[in-house]
Amino acid sequence: DGGITQSPKYLFRKEGQNVTLSCEQNLNHDAMYWYRQDPGQGLRLIYYSQIVNDFQKGDIAEGYSVSREKKESFPLTVTSAQKNPTAFYLCASSIVGNLGEQYFGPGTRLTVT
Amino acid sequence: QKEVEQDPGPLSVPEGAIVSLNCTYSNSAFQYFMWYRQYSRKGPELLMYTYSSGNKEDGRFTAQVDKSSKYISLFIRDSQPSDSATYLCAMSSGSARQLTFGSGTQLTVLP
Repeated sequence: DGGITQSPKYLFRKEGQNVTLSCEQNLNHDAMYWYRQDPGQGLRLIYYSQIVNDFQKGDIAEGYSVSREKKESFPLTVTSAQKNPTAFYLCASSIVGNLGEQYFGPGTRLTVT
Repeated sequence: QKEVEQDPGPLSVPEGAIVSLNCTYSNSAFQYFMWYRQYSRKGPELLMYTYSSGNKEDGRFTAQVDKSSKYISLFIRDSQPSDSATYLCAMSSGSARQLTFGSGTQLTVLP
């Protein structure tokens, strides 16, 4: 089955700790994206990547970091510098040039206390 | 002012009703318009994808774009309880590298 997997589904961390969210896809897509979703705010783009070893900041990149060492994988690290890390995080992928047809993973709900 | 405005609802309708969901936008460069459906605690899935103005129909769903008014709509005919979800509009310009999403409308179809 082709698709995007995110793990874990739920994640709990103490304030001050960095945490890495996993995102893997087997759709052979070059473009991958990370979004944050908060109640009433829709999806906001954190980072995106269109090719291995290259990525760009989105609208809310501060306090986050990413890597793209493999085409299939695009992990997101939420650092201790992120002021309000508690949120629902969504990973997506698409064919480069077909921005509108994004395939989303099931999401990771991160709670930081 | 947000680039894309979407009424968050919640919207409750009886089964079988026609549902109208809407977004307005301010950026006249937007040319590509999408509707995503998101079930609770799941990732969004693409429902409809249209280019420029006009209508597109797919089964019970019709997407409508009016670029002159900067207004897009999604109509759901013969709504079903399984249509209960949050509906997100999204749009982009031709040169964009990212989508701009509305905040989503929560729909409940009552049996």
